[in-house]
Amino acid sequence: GQQLNQSPQSMFIQEGEDVSMNCTSSSIFNTWLWYKQDPGEGPVLLIALYKAGELTSNGRLTAQFGITRKDSFLNISASIPSDVGIYFCAGQLGGYKYIFGTGTRLKVLA
Amino acid sequence: GAVVSQHPSRVICKSGTSVKIECRSLDFQATTMFWYRQFPKQSLMLMATSNEGSKATYEQGVEKDKFLINHASLTLSTLTVTSAHPEDSSFYICSARGLAGQETQYFGPGTRLLVL
Repeated sequence: GQQLNQSPQSMFIQEGEDVSMNCTSSSIFNTWLWYKQDPGEGPVLLIALYKAGELTSNGRLTAQFGITRKDSFLNISASIPSDVGIYFCAGQLGGYKYIFGTGTRLKVLA
Repeated sequence: GAVVSQHPSRVICKSGTSVKIECRSLDFQATTMFWYRQFPKQSLMLMATSNEGSKATYEQGVEKDKFLINHASLTLSTLTVTSAHPEDSSFYICSARGLAGQETQYFGPGTRLLVL
């Protein structure tokens, strides 16, 4: 099935550092979403973006919907140990279907 | 907030048996529910989309006769894995979308299926 390209695939960072990850596609999406998944659990919505160029924050998280509508990035500032997990981007197609990114596995070293 | 539950959380079954997984929206009515499959260290792959009262729409490569989906009410969808085999072992996750105007999907906690 179709997937979005997400990078980096994994990253190890020190507690307190900022994190940046992005998602790119060859297709245009009308909505971009970012989810976090902890092991053995379902994804939890972090941020939803609905307009090209939109920049939205949720606490220490900031995400932007690319102007071309083919990409999005997520930043996490001042990372803490509980930020560990897998972060997925998702683009919404017609019929409200989501296409998920390949995921970024984040590990935070205390 | 919108809560989606799944039951069971994990199931182990013998090869050849059928397994039913339930997905419920607890505090909202879900016009559309989605079923995903996630293999270890991989992303979520959409299997099918189900709208209440109508037949599910399956993604390419997903066998509709093997993965039976029923969406009989606005709060319940079921996925039945028929004649399960070891290669069907996976993490199955459902999501639900609310009424018109609510575009966001809310995900259940997932069901871990192990077929022996």
